[in-house]
Amino acid sequence: QQQVKQSPQSLIVQKGGISIINCAYENTAFDYFPWYQQFPGKGPALLIAIRPDVSEKKEGRFTISFNKSAKQFSLHIMDSQPGDSATYFCAASINNDMRFGAGTRLTVKP
Amino acid sequence: DAGITQSPRHKVTETGTPVTLRCHQTENHRYMYWYRQDPGHGLRLIHYSYGVKDTDKGEVSDGYSVSRSKTEDFLLTLESATSSQTSVYFCAISEVRAEYGYTFGSGTRLTVV
Repeated sequence: QQQVKQSPQSLIVQKGGISIINCAYENTAFDYFPWYQQFPGKGPALLIAIRPDVSEKKEGRFTISFNKSAKQFSLHIMDSQPGDSATYFCAASINNDMRFGAGTRLTVKP
Repeated sequence: DAGITQSPRHKVTETGTPVTLRCHQTENHRYMYWYRQDPGHGLRLIHYSYGVKDTDKGEVSDGYSVSRSKTEDFLLTLESATSSQTSVYFCAISEVRAEYGYTFGSGTRLTVV
């Protein structure tokens, strides 16, 4: 049973548009929610992360929105660029147990 | 990826043979992890280590064993490879458990034929 559900599986956005990826989790004990970005042939790299006591975190064009009561969080990429084309993974963790979503393949068309 | 190296990068092996993948770090981080990545499943934790000779099972540990005899090296062994273990394997390191994020290696693509 997947503890972190991610949607959509794939996403195509025009350059300059907003990319939105959603995740939902089951375990209310999770206390750390990172997003990772992965380019082909590379390992995932930490993009941005949030803790459940904060509802929103912004770093440049990337924003995490967190809804604790709904057990959902999302990644918004503003002014999406072709260089943002990659696979994005949400994750949730407690202690050494980090569970990842299945991933979203984002394509930004020029 | 700076500070973490996986070897080999690619391997093809036959069903039933033993396989060992190596993860080497130069960051002196306490925590090391092995994940497998499969389409539709994201990354799933196989085993992790929280110190020399200290390891624990993850979500999908059946058929895998690990060893960590030095801080810098974490080995993943498939005792008798099966086709279901065809995957991309990633090693990750972290300084303070899952907090502050993991640093992942570049992965090992393993094919079991």
